[in-house]
Amino acid sequence: DVKVTQSSRYLVKRTGEKVFLECVQDMDHENMFWYRQDPGLGLRLIYFSYDVKMKEKGDIPEGYSVSREKKERFSLILESASTNQTSMYLCASKRDRGQPQHFGDGTRLSIL
Amino acid sequence: SQQGEEDPQALSIQEGENATMNCSYKTSINNLQWYRQNSGRGLVHLILIRSNEREKHSGRLRVTLDTSKKSSSLLITASRAADTASYFCATAFHTGANSKLTFGKGITLSVRP
Repeated sequence: DVKVTQSSRYLVKRTGEKVFLECVQDMDHENMFWYRQDPGLGLRLIYFSYDVKMKEKGDIPEGYSVSREKKERFSLILESASTNQTSMYLCASKRDRGQPQHFGDGTRLSIL
Repeated sequence: SQQGEEDPQALSIQEGENATMNCSYKTSINNLQWYRQNSGRGLVHLILIRSNEREKHSGRLRVTLDTSKKSSSLLITASRAADTASYFCATAFHTGANSKLTFGKGITLSVRP
């Protein structure tokens, strides 16, 4: 089975801090994704990557950046955390475009 | 937007009953996927149905796709308390080598023991 591991289940940070969310997958998948999930808004795509060192903006990239230095790891960076970035963050990976996505358990991030 | 919209938003049934959830979308798709999310956890893929398929089964799950009506349904037969979760449809549209997946807002299913 594919395993997608997110480094933290719960995280509390302060406004203005630089926050790193880490995601690792163990199935050599080409594609990796970061979403945020908010009540009433569903899942929204922040960034995705289809190869090492490649990244593409999703629907809501503002305030975020990403890094993919190794195939198995995809990091989401909040450059200067703000309270409106309090959310559930979900990482996913998949092999190619015709395949389903595999999700991690999520990181519930609170910005105080 | 081609975002899937699920219907109903919430569904409460008795254990043993069937649960039917619907999804509608607006533009052409390459495939449609259904996911389940237990409270506080990530999404789990249930079924993927391609645009040239009309029906697909997996255990107690049955998914139909009507591309002329731009709609899909997920049927869970003989529901169990463990089926209590949120269910999401997601539409996939291929662009070049990539594929964009757009999720609906989800349906909350409660199965009463």
